[in-house]
Amino acid sequence: IAGITQAPTSQILAAGRRMTLRCTQDMRHNAMYWYRQDLGLGLRLIHYSNTAGTTGKGEVPDGYSVSRANTDDFPLTLASAVPSQTSVYFCASSTGTNNEQFFGPGTRLTVL
Amino acid sequence: GQNIDQPTEMTATEGAIVQINCTYQTSGFNGLFWYQQHAGEAPTFLSYNVLDGLEEKGRFSSFLSRSKGYSYLLLKELQMKDSASYLCAVRDGDYKLSFGAGTTVTVRA
Repeated sequence: IAGITQAPTSQILAAGRRMTLRCTQDMRHNAMYWYRQDLGLGLRLIHYSNTAGTTGKGEVPDGYSVSRANTDDFPLTLASAVPSQTSVYFCASSTGTNNEQFFGPGTRLTVL
Repeated sequence: GQNIDQPTEMTATEGAIVQINCTYQTSGFNGLFWYQQHAGEAPTFLSYNVLDGLEEKGRFSSFLSRSKGYSYLLLKELQMKDSASYLCAVRDGDYKLSFGAGTTVTVRA
């Protein structure tokens, strides 16, 4: 693989279920990010990680958790999904916090 | 936090020039980015400004005035493939990006 991959591409989920969105990059980037994109609101940062082993909260972290056990993987977990979490989720990475971000293809999530 | 404003939509003719304005109010500033996003796809990086002035990259140019909290993206010699959303993003004092809602540009033949 080259770049950033996300899985699944799309998912329909019942409210209350637990869901993990996967993100993997093979560029050895230190920093990784999770955004959600909603119509009219643009991209909003959920959580970020400046380097493996560290994470931080973004603008809209409630209802989401992340982990960064290694450089390549940055999964996003919805512990108990709610309909307001219906969105398109993008993972991104950068060589450092001072550089442009590269985005994965996105996961379209629908919570019913 | 950040407050980033850009027009919702713009329409232009193939071969023409379009200027997309972005104004921002920030708590700290460490650069401004422009991204292009085609429908159903991921955003891709276009340009970066951290100092005042114009950055030119082929048909695309980006301008920044830090004192005015203002940037614009200039698209010249428009092509049909330039129909997309253009996202203005500001990096704050903590080096996190905040995005505007995006400007959808439609290029007509």
